[in-house]
Amino acid sequence: AQKVTQAQTEISVVEKEDVTLDCVYETRDTTYYLFWYKQPPSGELVFLIRRNSFDEQNEISGRYSWNFQKSTSSFNFTITASQVVDSAVYFCALSVGWNNNNDMRFGAGTRLTVKP
Amino acid sequence: SAVISQKPSRDICQRGTSLTIQCQVDSQVTMMFWYRQQPGQSLTLIATANQGSEATYESGFVIDKFPISRPNLTFSTLTVSNMSPEDSSIYLCSVLVDRGPLRYTFGSGTRLTVV
Repeated sequence: AQKVTQAQTEISVVEKEDVTLDCVYETRDTTYYLFWYKQPPSGELVFLIRRNSFDEQNEISGRYSWNFQKSTSSFNFTITASQVVDSAVYFCALSVGWNNNNDMRFGAGTRLTVKP
Repeated sequence: SAVISQKPSRDICQRGTSLTIQCQVDSQVTMMFWYRQQPGQSLTLIATANQGSEATYESGFVIDKFPISRPNLTFSTLTVSNMSPEDSSIYLCSVLVDRGPLRYTFGSGTRLTVV
């Protein structure tokens, strides 16, 4: 069975600080997909990134970066120079199905508050 | 990427009544998914809706309580039946987008309060 653990329930930082959101996953499948979504107070889910299990290359997109390490089953998300607009709940998710099935599992989410 | 229009965005309903949530996608998609997000919680998959067949429900969810329709490849509805305060949640529909990076896109959600 698939499982995603986001141990950090809430994080509070001051603007311009760097912050890392942790995500640990469990699966027995060798092919899987990892996601990060942002849920601002308005409620919609915004797709941030998808990473395939066979691609361990880390990725940077502006102030966002992701560190995927299969050895530790982790897919951590770092925001550099945080801003107030980054305040949201962030979900890490895992899927082993794709076209034929949806087996997507979400972590509990981490609520990030960035104070001015 | 696919754009999903979900409505209503929010509603306050009386106990015992039913609410139908609509999800319209601007392109044809094979699979549509319905999620529930209880207050302060993560997302839980309710069911997968394929056009032309009955929806597939996850453990803990039944068709009598959450009937789903999928009349075509761009539209689906979820009904929350015989509501109780425990049904107060955000309900989201989602589709698999295969243009650009493969990903699941979500509607803006329906915030339901049952009183």
